[in-house]
Amino acid sequence: EVQVVESGGGLVQPGGSLRLSCAASGFIFSSYWMNWVRQAPGKGLEWVANINQDGSEKYYVDSVKGRFTISRDNAKNSLSLQMNSLRAEDTAIYYCARSDSSNYPTLWGQGTMVTVSS
Amino acid sequence: QSVLTQPPSASGTPGQRVTISCSGSSSNIGNNYVYWYRQLPGTAPKLLIYRNNQRPSGVPDRFSGSKSGTSASLAISGLRSEDEADYYCAAWDDSLSGLEFGGGTKLTVL
Repeated sequence: EVQVVESGGGLVQPGGSLRLSCAASGFIFSSYWMNWVRQAPGKGLEWVANINQDGSEKYYVDSVKGRFTISRDNAKNSLSLQMNSLRAEDTAIYYCARSDSSNYPTLWGQGTMVTVSS
Repeated sequence: QSVLTQPPSASGTPGQRVTISCSGSSSNIGNNYVYWYRQLPGTAPKLLIYRNNQRPSGVPDRFSGSKSGTSASLAISGLRSEDEADYYCAAWDDSLSGLEFGGGTKLTVL
């Protein structure tokens, strides 16, 4: 089955760090751009970051630049999001999503919840 | 404040046709594809329309997308109760070098 599955969410204090993971299966992971998209409670979707097939190109939304790092391990079919200096406003469900050839998310995981609170 | 503007809500009765608009600018919709996603309560978003007006396999032809200039729209005909969901448009923004989502439209079937 073609799918992506997120893990690593949880409760973290403001200023803390958390690393999210996304396990891909059922497709050739190294052939696709990958994304992280988040959704704060009761709010809309916000694209966070994406990464190209070999990890040489990365783009971030301004609000996370310098704090979050997207990376991938093609040998392990895995995508990661390292989140540092977390703020209350980073509280959200974080979705991993595979892109299509136009680099838009088309295959979404079920998400993992990140709560930043003291 | 989203770069892409959608109405926060829309409604219709079963069998009706409803449209949801998505307004942007030359740096996003005007120069890039528009995608539409549907999100049922408590679930992950799902692709509904890609490349302005293409339907993925499995999406019924009741759903259609269009784009003109810096605006796009999603039309749903033969409205059903199961169409109640949040709908989001998305477009890459060349000025921001990032993907932008609209604020979302909550569709209610009366």
